[in-house]
Amino acid sequence: QSVLTQPPSASGTPGQRVSISCSGSSSNVGSNTVNWYQQLPETAPKLLIYSDNQRPSGVPDRFSGSKSGTSASLAITGLQSEDEADYYCAAWDDNLNARVFGGGTKLTVL
Amino acid sequence: EVQLVESGGGLVQPGGSLRLSCAASGFTFANYAMSWVRQAPGKGLKWVSGISGSGGHTYYADFVKGRFTISRENSKNTLHLQMNTLRVEDTAIYYCAKDLMYYGDYGSDYWGQGILVTVSS
Repeated sequence: QSVLTQPPSASGTPGQRVSISCSGSSSNVGSNTVNWYQQLPETAPKLLIYSDNQRPSGVPDRFSGSKSGTSASLAITGLQSEDEADYYCAAWDDNLNARVFGGGTKLTVL
Repeated sequence: EVQLVESGGGLVQPGGSLRLSCAASGFTFANYAMSWVRQAPGKGLKWVSGISGSGGHTYYADFVKGRFTISRENSKNTLHLQMNTLRVEDTAIYYCAKDLMYYGDYGSDYWGQGILVTVSS
């Protein structure tokens, strides 16, 4: 069981908008910033969103992050086949004194 | 260009030890916290340990506390993870990652290619 809860799977067709949720608690998402990572098959993770809603340089603006209370979301608009990957949310947990990850969401582009 | 290259992985018996290293280049190593994150075969990401830029603050996941030790040599731009009393469940790809800030956890913006650690008899 992961400390942060994500749906195990999500899907969409090219051009659609997809949203992935990340549910936590007051000790992690509710009090610290959330980051999102994309992991393409057989590759290292890549930072997609940091500080809840900031994109590192080079990340397309099709990707956006938001947070409200103890929940965060990653939205992908204009879905493309190359977006097919696993997506993970993460945040620092003040009680565990550790970074915690969600279980990951496998995004399929139909 | 930021580069992180892990080394030291391999096959080890349960109860054994391994020392992972991560050679960093392309940024001022001492200015950034670093992390180790692992991924068991077919599973999700799990944070293992983190260390501040100076090395003065270290953090561990509960499942490695007391067994693993993170350290860094800023003069050599190298991060280490000493892993003792290894268990079968420690089998995973271990990633070295550069964090966004000097101190505190704000995420990791660069990752190494990962190195496989297999714990098996």
